[in-house]
Amino acid sequence: QVQLVQSGAEVKKPGSSVKVSCKTSGDTFTKYGITWVRQAPGQGLEWMGGIIPTLGKTTVAQSLQGRVTITADELTATVYMELNSLRFEDMAIYYCARATFGMEIYPSHYYYYLDVWGRGTTVTVSS
Amino acid sequence: DIVMTQSPLSLSVTPGESASISCRSSQSLVHSNEHYYLDWYLQKPGQPPQLLISLTSTRAPGIPDRFSGSGSDRNFTLKISRVEAEDVGVYYCMQGIQSPHTFGPGTRVDLK
Repeated sequence: QVQLVQSGAEVKKPGSSVKVSCKTSGDTFTKYGITWVRQAPGQGLEWMGGIIPTLGKTTVAQSLQGRVTITADELTATVYMELNSLRFEDMAIYYCARATFGMEIYPSHYYYYLDVWGRGTTVTVSS
Repeated sequence: DIVMTQSPLSLSVTPGESASISCRSSQSLVHSNEHYYLDWYLQKPGQPPQLLISLTSTRAPGIPDRFSGSGSDRNFTLKISRVEAEDVGVYYCMQGIQSPHTFGPGTRVDLK
């Protein structure tokens, strides 16, 4: 069964960085994308960005550009999301999800849906 | 960015009855191939979200046919017929036509 195994909970101070890992299994790393979604306490879902691991191609939400880096390690089939300059409002559960691609909508922009999700990593920001 | 809205934001349903959730986008979700790039996810209590429906109306594997999706252009509907206890949770629509992908605020469904 395909799984995405995320790293454990983190407690960080404002201004510091956090790096969350998402270990893939099966052919996820080579045939799919990985998207990151976060959920602040009691709030809805926020799309953060994603990566096509085999291409190293990343997309990041404009609101997070400059603070989020998404990378992939081929040797361990693991995707990472690093968030810098942490703020109190970054406190959330961070999910990775497998992106299954469909048809091309615009040149180099493909539709995808998120069909496998990790269990989430809780990031607490506290002084 | 495309803004997604949902209504109602909260719904209390008698088991066995049907429920309907509306999702509206600020821009059309159709492209030239006439597909509507709208997905539905359910987040059960204490769990990550799960895919229910992709491309407006295609149920994900293992999703019972009590769930159905429909819609076009900017207006979409998720219908749950014969609601069961396991259907409790928060339902989100998400547009996939444009980056950033954006979610609706969610509709919380519980049982009467």
